[in-house]
Amino acid sequence: KAGVTQTPRYLIKTRGQQVTLSCSPISGHRSVSWYQQTPGQGLQFLFEYFSETQRNKGNFPGRFSGRQFSNSRSEMNVSTLELGDSALYLCASSPQTDLYEQYFGPGTRLTVT
Amino acid sequence: QKEVEQDPGPLSVPEGAIVSLNCTYSNSAFQYFMWYRQYSRKGPELLMYTYSSGNKEDGRFTAQVDKSSKYISLFIRDSQPSDSATYLCAMSNFGNEKLTFGTGTRLTIIP
Repeated sequence: KAGVTQTPRYLIKTRGQQVTLSCSPISGHRSVSWYQQTPGQGLQFLFEYFSETQRNKGNFPGRFSGRQFSNSRSEMNVSTLELGDSALYLCASSPQTDLYEQYFGPGTRLTVT
Repeated sequence: QKEVEQDPGPLSVPEGAIVSLNCTYSNSAFQYFMWYRQYSRKGPELLMYTYSSGNKEDGRFTAQVDKSSKYISLFIRDSQPSDSATYLCAMSNFGNEKLTFGTGTRLTIIP
């Protein structure tokens, strides 16, 4: 079974621009979570979608948004990029409604200049 | 103060040694406890998860949870160079709620 895939793997953007990241979960998984990973803060939860509904949300500004499609694929969008948004963005999928069993993708490395 | 504290290391041990990795937490509502391993330039990989207190063993890995002390541990027996990675603990209140991660401990096993 194929793992979680994320595209693109690397991205360089300029301050003020917006970016959209994509995640395809493992086949059959209906829950998709997004995390931001930085050296200083570690892994921080952004949001989680289950059956196209946002079920959980972390403490990030409204510039960070996401959505999930009927095929469970998910996208996250960051508008008005700031230098501090430079990070590894990780997507994880879960085979059930419980989130203690999550499978992560390789991440998208976003650099904001 | 962070909800989950984890010593960032780095921790270097010789091959074959027993490794002990630990996390402390402040939220007494946490009931699910996970350990992830992350290799460089990869996403985290789930190693083990436990519910509530007690021990769980899987091969060379043993996870322990002491809810009275708000302390969890991961032990790696007969450590191998391939175990060199960053180890992250994670916790949640309920099964369907978000995970809160520690910052990770970087481990190096020296051949």
